[in-house]
Amino acid sequence: ETGVTQTPRHLVMGMTNKKSLKCEQHLGHNAMYWYKQSAKKPLELMFVYNFKEQTENNSVPSRFSPECPNSSHLFLHLHTLQPEDSALYLCASSLKHGSYNEQFFGPGTRLTVL
Amino acid sequence: GENVEQHPSTLSVQEGDSAVIKCTYSDSASNYFPWYKQELGKRPQLIIDIRSNVGEKKDQRIAVTLNKTAKHFSLHITETQPEDSAVYFCAAVSSGSARQLTFGSGTQLTVLP
Repeated sequence: ETGVTQTPRHLVMGMTNKKSLKCEQHLGHNAMYWYKQSAKKPLELMFVYNFKEQTENNSVPSRFSPECPNSSHLFLHLHTLQPEDSALYLCASSLKHGSYNEQFFGPGTRLTVL
Repeated sequence: GENVEQHPSTLSVQEGDSAVIKCTYSDSASNYFPWYKQELGKRPQLIIDIRSNVGEKKDQRIAVTLNKTAKHFSLHITETQPEDSAVYFCAAVSSGSARQLTFGSGTQLTVLP
């Protein structure tokens, strides 16, 4: 699959579990993003990585831990989540952060926290 | 930081009619305003964008207008078709080194056949 891929597409986890979301982009981009999409709320930016360096952390709780080993891969490590963390988590990438670059989104991971 | 408000939250139009979605932003230094379309169960995709140095941009049946003085911008869809049914998000890029996208809350557009 080309573009931005995310795995898994669906995830159900308990509050004591540890899981990871994976995002991979095949577009040669240098910036990657994690967004949270909850019902009837705006897309919320969580983290930004530009050339593998984290440039933004929008007051995200420490139970969400991002990792960007290279410009093509982005992970979101999850531990001790709360039911209110249930949402669609979208990854996106752009050529670089900080200019008029279109963001390309992945299909998202639908997360349910029990 | 930037704050983007979007109205209406839902909009139903008859096929062939026009649809208008409006957004306001708070940061007067914002200078890039993209619109994304998200069909049911699919990812958001950019459909049109406008920079602050122009007041209007058109691409076939969709157009976006920008009023910098009033800090609002609008999406116009003419001759709507059922496949236009989706959630539309406006966004603004804030100023400074951050330049992150701040999204509106979305508009669910339904085009009735």
